Amino acid sequence: ETGVTQSPTHLIKTRGQQVTLRCSSQSGHNTVSWYQQALGQGPQFIFQYYREEENGRGNFPPRFSGLQFPNYSSELNVNALELDDSALYLCASSSYRNTGELFFGEGSRLTVL
Amino acid sequence: SQQGEEDPQALSIQEGENATMNCSYKTSINNLQWYRQNSGRGLVHLILIRSNEREKHSGRLRVTLDTSKKSSSLLITASRAADTASYFCATDASGAQKLVFGQGTRLTINP
Repeated sequence: ETGVTQSPTHLIKTRGQQVTLRCSSQSGHNTVSWYQQALGQGPQFIFQYYREEENGRGNFPPRFSGLQFPNYSSELNVNALELDDSALYLCASSSYRNTGELFFGEGSRLTVL
Repeated sequence: SQQGEEDPQALSIQEGENATMNCSYKTSINNLQWYRQNSGRGLVHLILIRSNEREKHSGRLRVTLDTSKKSSSLLITASRAADTASYFCATDASGAQKLVFGQGTRLTINP
């Protein structure tokens, strides 16, 4: 148990719809990162939030957006869903004061039909 | 895009044997980390090795890092059936915790 919780665990959407995924970070962690993991692949960095500001972004289009709240929880929003957005979305929390390891939630599995 | 390659992509061994997985990467790094993932669930951090370290141990795990060859290896000794999982290496170029993962090695331990 990492103390990082994600919701929902599974969801199905259709092309063109919008989705919001949620993450509660581990107590004491002020940084949240989101990763996309396609089937059979390693996770890919989407973006990171630190103190409610985006603090770095991977190679993902603007229709992937996020928020971090004052309690350090976070949301990932994806607009205009495409079939290739089907993946496991992983949230990870950390603190800049720790050794650099990330603490992952169990993920939200999104299927786009 | 993935940072590098993991080798082998899949490994199947008998319980009690040692398992070695290799990771190569392309750019300079601040640190390299290994994670474990069971059946498409969340990743669990195993060990972190910094760019100025060459070897690190944690229980049955031994990690080596060769920055001149841009490669790392993870050794699991005396494997157990519960070690069956996918193992990923991840590099952190700047220490800002923005990790670049490899494609992983699927390890199966046969009882």
